[in-house]
Amino acid sequence: EAQVTQNPRYLITVTGKKLTVTCSQNMNHEYMSWYRQDPGLGLRQIYYSMNVEVTDKGDVPEGYKVSRKEKRNFPLILESPSPNQTSLYFCASSLGRMPYNEQFFGPGTRLTVL
Amino acid sequence: AQTVTQSQPEMSVQEAETVTLSCTYDTSESDYYLFWYKQPPSRQMILVIRQEAYKQQNATENRFSVNFQKAAKSFSLKISDSQLGDAAMYFCAYRANFGNEKLTFGTGTRLTIIP
Repeated sequence: EAQVTQNPRYLITVTGKKLTVTCSQNMNHEYMSWYRQDPGLGLRQIYYSMNVEVTDKGDVPEGYKVSRKEKRNFPLILESPSPNQTSLYFCASSLGRMPYNEQFFGPGTRLTVL
Repeated sequence: AQTVTQSQPEMSVQEAETVTLSCTYDTSESDYYLFWYKQPPSRQMILVIRQEAYKQQNATENRFSVNFQKAAKSFSLKISDSQLGDAAMYFCAYRANFGNEKLTFGTGTRLTIIP
């Protein structure tokens, strides 16, 4: 089944404890992206990747890192999480390099930073 | 920068009736795409319908249709014969037809279906 998977689905952590949220897609997509969703703000892009080893900042990159060593994986890293990073996170992917490609979203990761 | 505005935080409709969700956007581009996404309680983001800006014809997907007014930068979603399963948060989104495939989302409209 074609899908985007994220792990973990739920995470409660404490301020300053490094964490990684994994994202993997099995559709051979070139483009991958991370969004965060906050009440009253909709979804905002954190980082994106056009291909392996090519990443760039989105609208709200502060406090986050990403890597794209393999085409299928695009982990989101929080080196020192803070309470303002409590949010719902979505990974998305698409074929890329074409006028239109539907973005497929993962199931979301609910992160709480205490 | 592109912005997307959904001015209705909440809407409700009787089952089997029709409801229209509003969306306006701002862009200086002429080539772009517009989308409506549905987010049910499961939190999954589900694409409902999309519209290419160069197409004058309004998109339709079964009970879902849009009213795309390019000059007015308006993109409303009409849901006909509303069903209980339509209850969800609905997001309007914009994507330029170049560069980063970023989706710019509105703040969402929570739709309640009244049995």
